[in-house]
Amino acid sequence: AQSVAQPEDQVNVAEGNPLTVKCTYSVSGNPYLFWYVQYPNRGLQFLLKYITGDNLVKGSYGFEAEFNKSQTSFHLKKPSALVSDSALYFCAVRAVPRSNDYKLSFGAGTTVTVRA
Amino acid sequence: EAQVTQNPRYLITVTGKKLTVTCSQNMNHEYMSWYRQDPGLGLRQIYYSMNVEVTDKGDVPEGYKVSRKEKRNFPLILESPSPNQTSLYFCASSFSLTGGAKYEQYFGPGTRLTVT
Repeated sequence: AQSVAQPEDQVNVAEGNPLTVKCTYSVSGNPYLFWYVQYPNRGLQFLLKYITGDNLVKGSYGFEAEFNKSQTSFHLKKPSALVSDSALYFCAVRAVPRSNDYKLSFGAGTTVTVRA
Repeated sequence: EAQVTQNPRYLITVTGKKLTVTCSQNMNHEYMSWYRQDPGLGLRQIYYSMNVEVTDKGDVPEGYKVSRKEKRNFPLILESPSPNQTSLYFCASSFSLTGGAKYEQYFGPGTRLTVT
């Protein structure tokens, strides 16, 4: 069975400081990894994904994430956080399908608060 | 505008009264899915559909039904709702053909369901 862990329920940072949201995963075989963001009273929006290739992937709004296979991690980062980055962030994983199983598993989410 | 729509956005009902939440997408996506979001649990996949007339269970399918008779629509049916199905529900869609597991999902705005 596949799973995702986001070890921090909340992350608080000051505006202008680096932001990191942690994610570790467990799958059989290789993973497809995704980050989504949810603003208050809104649906989820896609930020970035790792499929294959370069371990550092860049996404929307200045976010990036680094895939680390040995540590089974896919941490989300932003060099300089903005107040507008305050939201709920979800990491998600899919195993590279070897059958017709296309389940997608999400973490519990991390609430990011960026203070001015 | 490319979008996923859900109706209704808010619904309060009573135990045992059958209900349907509709989901429609205008992006010609093959893959559609339903999730429920509960505090501390993140998003959990209820059902998904790879294409018309092809559906499969996610992680929490009990108490739910789905159908996919048309490519654009994927309704979620609760035959006999119970209070433990009170939740925030999201519909999502994505491309899925060959290599489809690597594509990001587009989410609807959510349906907040309360079962008393």
